[in-house]
Amino acid sequence: GNSVTQMEGPVTLSEEAFLTINCTYTATGYPSLFWYVQYPGEGLQLLLKATKADDKGSNKGFEATYRKETTSFHLEKGSVQVSDSAVYFCALYFQGGSEKLVFGKGTKLTVNP
Amino acid sequence: DAEITQSPRHKITETGRQVTLACHQTWNHNNMFWYRQDLGHGLRLIHYSYGVQDTNKGEVSDGYSVSRSNTEDLPLTLESAASSQTSVYFCASSGWQGATYNEQFFGPGTRLTVL
Repeated sequence: GNSVTQMEGPVTLSEEAFLTINCTYTATGYPSLFWYVQYPGEGLQLLLKATKADDKGSNKGFEATYRKETTSFHLEKGSVQVSDSAVYFCALYFQGGSEKLVFGKGTKLTVNP
Repeated sequence: DAEITQSPRHKITETGRQVTLACHQTWNHNNMFWYRQDLGHGLRLIHYSYGVQDTNKGEVSDGYSVSRSNTEDLPLTLESAASSQTSVYFCASSGWQGATYNEQFFGPGTRLTVL
């Protein structure tokens, strides 16, 4: 079945450090891929998405590229801020199937000043 | 502005009691979902609905039920609360526009403690 594996956390970085959170997926066909972010005490919100191979999603300085050959969608940011401290979830959606999202387990990021 | 709300935000109950968590959305979305979030498990789907009178089981549906009598609401009921159901519960909704994915919008969550 469809599944998402993302790197275990927690991840702790200093402000202005480079961030990578790895995400790989298993799916039949060609899913759409997403990163959601959950700030403390809040629900999840969509950070970025990519719907086909080689697409790059970007938002708020974060980027992720849909790599079909490696079945990956790694999240990157060149210079993190304290305000980026949150839990990040990778997810996939398989068009033509149900409307469900399949989530990874989440990676907690803490950015220290 | 359209939104999705959950109530209560916090709930403490006792083992064996029936509990209902409310979810209300004003997006006019057809699809609604209930998830629970636990450390080490991420988000797990409990139940979901594609429209009025439609309900479907997710991966962790035992001990939970939902009903969809209108577009806006999908209440989640714990028939007989158990300590294993202590968790944070999120409701989400999404629309459907032909073959295009529509983003899931999440509520702020309900923290449920079963003593």
